[in-house]
Formats: sequence, structure tokens, C-alpha cells
Amino acid sequence: DGGITQSPKYLFRKEGQNVTLSCEQNLNHDAMYWYRQDPGQGLRLIYYSQIVNDFQKGDIAEGYSVSREKKESFPLTVTSAQKNPTAFYLCASSMSQAYYEQYFGPGTRLTVT
Amino acid sequence: QKEVEQNSGPLSVPEGAIASLNCTYSDRGSQSFFWYRQYSGKSPELIMFIYSNGDKEDGRFTAQLNKASQYVSLLIRDSQPSDSATYLCAVNGAAGNKLTFGGGTRVLVKP
Repeated sequence: DGGITQSPKYLFRKEGQNVTLSCEQNLNHDAMYWYRQDPGQGLRLIYYSQIVNDFQKGDIAEGYSVSREKKESFPLTVTSAQKNPTAFYLCASSMSQAYYEQYFGPGTRLTVT
Repeated sequence: QKEVEQNSGPLSVPEGAIASLNCTYSDRGSQSFFWYRQYSGKSPELIMFIYSNGDKEDGRFTAQLNKASQYVSLLIRDSQPSDSATYLCAVNGAAGNKLTFGGGTRVLVKP
């Protein structure tokens, strides 16, 4: 089955710790995206990547970092510099940057205390 | 003014009725428009996309686009309790490199 996987589903961390969220896709999509969703809110773009070894900041990149070493993988690191890291994190992919339909993984719910 | 605006709801609809959701956007150069359905605690699921002015139908869903007035709407015919969810409008702007999402409209279909 083709799709996007995110792990873990739930993640708990202490304040001051960095944490890395996994996103893997086997759809052969070129473009991948990370969003953050807060309760009752829409999605806000953190980072996106159109091709391997290249990525761009989205609207709320501060306190986050990413890498794109493989086409299938786009991990997101939430650093201790992110002031309000508790949120629902969603990874998405699209065939290419020119194909706008984005498909989402199941998400990771991060709680930092 | 937000780039993509939706009424947060909840929009309460009797079972079998038509649910009508609206979305307005500010970027006049926007090219592509999407509707996602999101159940509570789950990730968004793409249900419709539309690129050209007019109507596009898919099963019980119809998307309507009016670029001159900068709005896109979603109609859900014969609403079912399983349609109860939050519906997110997303717009790909003139730069063409990312989607901007509205805050979502919560729909409640009552049996």
C-alpha cells in the first residue's frame, strides 16, 4: 500500500529537549511539507521541500529544522528554541511542486511539559 | 485580513439536507483550490479540488469557484451523520509554491 507514515503517533517530552518527528512516504512524490495545527486552528506551514537536498522555510519556521537526504524521508526536529511546541504535527506530500494536491500522513501529537 | 477565511461554525444541518460551506481568499492570483475533511483527532483528507470557474461535482460533493468574487464553496448533498467533521479550505496562491489554509468550518449533521 502506498502512503505516508508518521511516527510516533503520540510523543511526550520535557521542556528544553530537542525532538525529531519522522515522516516517510512511498508514493514517489517529489515534494514534502510539514504543518502545525493548534486546537481549533487551521494548518500553518513550517517547512517544505521540493526536491532532495533542498528545502525552504514556511510561515513559522523559527525553532524548527528539517533535512531531506532521501526522497522518501523528511524528518522534522522541534528544537528547544520553539516557544510553544505542543501541537499536532502533520506531514504531507505531493507529486511535485507543480502538482498542488497534497496528501497527509496520520500526524504526530507532541506534548511538551 | 486573513488570506483564507471560513466561518468557524458549527454549521448544524439536518440529515438529508444540503450543507453549504463558504471560503473567501485575498490573493487574486490564486490558481488552485482545495477542500479537505478532517475528523476530530485525525489528519485532513482531500475530498475536492477545483481549478476553473464554475462547478465541479463528485458524488454528493460540489465545489463552486468564482474567481472574480474570490470565493470558493462546497455543497454537501444528502448530508449524513458521517459528514460531521471540520472542512478546511486551502488555496494555492499566485506564487504557486504552497497552500494556505483557512481555519475550517465545523459541520454537525443531526439525525
